[in-house]
Amino acid sequence: SQKIEQNSEALNIQEGKTATLTCNYTNYSPAYLQWYRQDPGRGPVFLLLIRENEKEKRKERLKVTFDTTLKQSLFHITASQPADSATYLCALGSSNTGKLIFGQGTTLQVKP
Amino acid sequence: NAGVMQNPRHLVRRRGQEARLRCSPMKGHSHVYWYRQLPEEGLKFMVYLQKENIIDESGMPKERFSAEFPKEGPSILRIQQVVRGDSAAYFCASSPNRVSMNSPLHFGNGTRLTVT
Repeated sequence: SQKIEQNSEALNIQEGKTATLTCNYTNYSPAYLQWYRQDPGRGPVFLLLIRENEKEKRKERLKVTFDTTLKQSLFHITASQPADSATYLCALGSSNTGKLIFGQGTTLQVKP
Repeated sequence: NAGVMQNPRHLVRRRGQEARLRCSPMKGHSHVYWYRQLPEEGLKFMVYLQKENIIDESGMPKERFSAEFPKEGPSILRIQQVVRGDSAAYFCASSPNRVSMNSPLHFGNGTRLTVT
């Protein structure tokens, strides 16, 4: 069955460092991958999207990579700030289905 | 522009009662998705609706759960005869078109259902 795995353990880093979050998947061939941010008690908020034919995407301090051979996406936040502390979810979509499949999320804690 | 509105934010029901969760999508959005989230777990897809039609209900339990998105009014997720295992956060998301690489999801802030 389709499976999406994100780091289950929380990631703790120092302010100013780069945070790297991993999203691995199996038994799936997504056409695109999306990353969302979720704060406690709130709904997820869309951040970035990358297509299967794209290797890398950037938006301000965010960078996403997508390796369809490794079946992996990496999500980087450079020059991290305490305000970046949140749970980050990856989601996969295909052109066949009209739905997104989400990973369980990784909690990032940036310490000042 | 109002975002996706869900109500109530918190809902407490006793076992055996019915729970009704409402979702008003963003203006101009005719596609609605419902997801369930348990603590320490990701979002689990339940159902995808387009105005007056259920497109995909593959993630919704066959018993006790139903969803609708009428021509007028909000989308409703209905859970009959609730059990403790139904306790979770239920999120609604909308998009102007079927979710795709050109159309991400816009989420509400969820309804937290507690079954006592």
